[in-house]
Amino acid sequence: DGGITQSPKYLFRKEGQNVTLSCEQNLNHDAMYWYRQDPGQGLRLIYYSQIVNDFQKGDIAEGYSVSREKKESFPLTVTSAQKNPTAFYLCASSILGGLDTQYFGPGTRLTVL
Amino acid sequence: AQSVTQPDIHITVSEGASLELRCNYSYGATPYLFWYVQSPGQGLQLLLKYFSGDTLVQGIKGFEAEFKRSQSSFNLRKPSVHWSDAAEYFCAVGARGVTGGGNKLTFGTGTQLKVEL
Repeated sequence: DGGITQSPKYLFRKEGQNVTLSCEQNLNHDAMYWYRQDPGQGLRLIYYSQIVNDFQKGDIAEGYSVSREKKESFPLTVTSAQKNPTAFYLCASSILGGLDTQYFGPGTRLTVL
Repeated sequence: AQSVTQPDIHITVSEGASLELRCNYSYGATPYLFWYVQSPGQGLQLLLKYFSGDTLVQGIKGFEAEFKRSQSSFNLRKPSVHWSDAAEYFCAVGARGVTGGGNKLTFGTGTQLKVEL
């Protein structure tokens, strides 16, 4: 089945540690996105990538980093510089070009202790 | 910059009753509009989308939405709600990136739907 996978579903880390969230898609989509979701705030865009080896900052990129070495993969690193990293993180992908539908993964809930 | 307002944070309806969830957007050009649904702890699923053409859009699970340019609205409707429709609903507006291309969605803050049996 084609789709987007995110792992792990739950992640716990100590304050001050970097952590990397995985996102993989087998939809052959060119564009991939990372969102952060907090209660009552909807989804906010962290980073997005249109093609391999290229990515753009979203609205709340500070304290996060990404890479796009493969078309299928778009990992997100939450660094120690992110002041309030506890949140639900969603990855999405879409066909390059146009405002096509974004398809979402199941999400990763990150809790920083 | 585009923005989306969902004025209702919570809505409760009885099973079998009709439903309307409100969405207002702000965008300078013709918007691309979406409705997504999210069950607790899950990702988002697309219900329907409007790009152009007929302003009444049909989606999955019996949902529909109507684009009204004069009111900057894209309200979601369902004639008869089922208990399984209880979830959070997000409206989103799409716009091309200002610099370097890229396509961005801006989401509303969501409406939590509760269905009473």
